[in-house]
Amino acid sequence: DAKTTQPTSMDCAEGRAANLPCNHSTISGNEYVYWYRQIHSQGPQYIIHGLKNNETNEMASLIITEDRKSSTLILPHATLRDTAVYYCIVRVAGRDDKIIFGKGTRLHILP
Amino acid sequence: EAQVTQNPRYLITVTGKKLTVTCSQNMNHEYMSWYRQDPGLGLRQIYYSMNVEVTDKGDVPEGYKVSRKEKRNFPLILESPSPNQTSLYFCASSPFRDRGGPGEKLFFGSGTQLSVL
Repeated sequence: DAKTTQPTSMDCAEGRAANLPCNHSTISGNEYVYWYRQIHSQGPQYIIHGLKNNETNEMASLIITEDRKSSTLILPHATLRDTAVYYCIVRVAGRDDKIIFGKGTRLHILP
Repeated sequence: EAQVTQNPRYLITVTGKKLTVTCSQNMNHEYMSWYRQDPGLGLRQIYYSMNVEVTDKGDVPEGYKVSRKEKRNFPLILESPSPNQTSLYFCASSPFRDRGGPGEKLFFGSGTQLSVL
């Protein structure tokens, strides 16, 4: 079973910030939170990862709560090309090499 | 160009006819993995490999075999395919550097759509 829980689907208006939540209440202290996305039936693409501090890169921002039991992926200015399935996973190298993806959140960007 | 290459892209076969889906990466990655994706079920891991000659079962290994004789190649073998193995398959790879660290991001292939009649 996936270690994370995500909403099945979400809508966001084009140009607005898309905020995708993820619950990982059983996360252990050394597990990292990763986000990937899959556009249509292409191979998933890495977006961002973090441990406990907020992270930002050219694609997105990752906000992790202080207790690390949940996180939010933020796409600051969503475009139609951001329509995809977004996967939140938790892992630590060398221990959790199964890397369970789960079902993800289908994000619809509305024009 | 750094990439994970899967072949074929599409495959239609019949029940019981052995097949192999190839996966090759040119990034010298230690870690490789196979996933299948079915509607409503997300991505499920079949097998993974931490390095040459080291393979482990994922969540849905039944009916599949893998081998890792070379670092760059990780073929998925279906000895006797059945219709319930009709699915979209993805191969992925990543470096493996530090045990206990964040792990490295996965690079995925373009997928293989398999239909077993």
